[in-house]
Amino acid sequence: AQKITQTQPGMFVQEKEAVTLDCTYDTSDQSYGLFWYKQPSSGEMIFLIYQGSYDEQNATEGRYSLNFQKARKSANLVISASQLGDSAMYFCAMILLSGYSTLTFGKGTMLLVSP
Amino acid sequence: KAGVTQTPRYLIKTRGQQVTLSCSPISGHRSVSWYQQTPGQGLQFLFEYFSETQRNKGNFPGRFSGRQFSNSRSEMNVSTLELGDSALYLCASSPRQGGGSYNEQFFGPGTRLTVL
Repeated sequence: AQKITQTQPGMFVQEKEAVTLDCTYDTSDQSYGLFWYKQPSSGEMIFLIYQGSYDEQNATEGRYSLNFQKARKSANLVISASQLGDSAMYFCAMILLSGYSTLTFGKGTMLLVSP
Repeated sequence: KAGVTQTPRYLIKTRGQQVTLSCSPISGHRSVSWYQQTPGQGLQFLFEYFSETQRNKGNFPGRFSGRQFSNSRSEMNVSTLELGDSALYLCASSPRQGGGSYNEQFFGPGTRLTVL
């Protein structure tokens, strides 16, 4: 079974600073994908970034980058230059590429960005 | 391209009633998954449908059921509602091309169900 662990229930950051949200995962499969989603108070899950287990380079999407360390089984999200609109819950999730379209989520990290 | 739509957005029911939630995936997507989100349990997988067939099911009682139609639209039904069924129900669609491929999951806005 897969497991995602997010050890930070909440994080505070000042506007324009960078922040790292931690995510570790556990799976015996070699072929998997890792996602980060943002969930504002409205409830919709917004896709941020994706990293495949065979991708050699860390994924980047604008201000978001994923620090993928396969040997340590970690997939931390780095948000550069935080904005007030970044305040939300952030979820790390995993999918097995050889299996069905089923995501396993972590418990999430609440990020608060202050002016 | 229109995103994933879910109806209704909000629902209030009483214990013992049943409810049906609807999800329309992105055009061309054949995989639809359902998730339940509660403050206590977090996000939990309910079931996944692909081409009208349930391919995977999470650990939920039989009161939770679903189906998928030929146009890929999906419904989930909860019978004999309990207070603990109060949750945000999220639907996700995926283009799912086959094993080993990138499986981007697109989520709808969710249906917030309150059971009184």
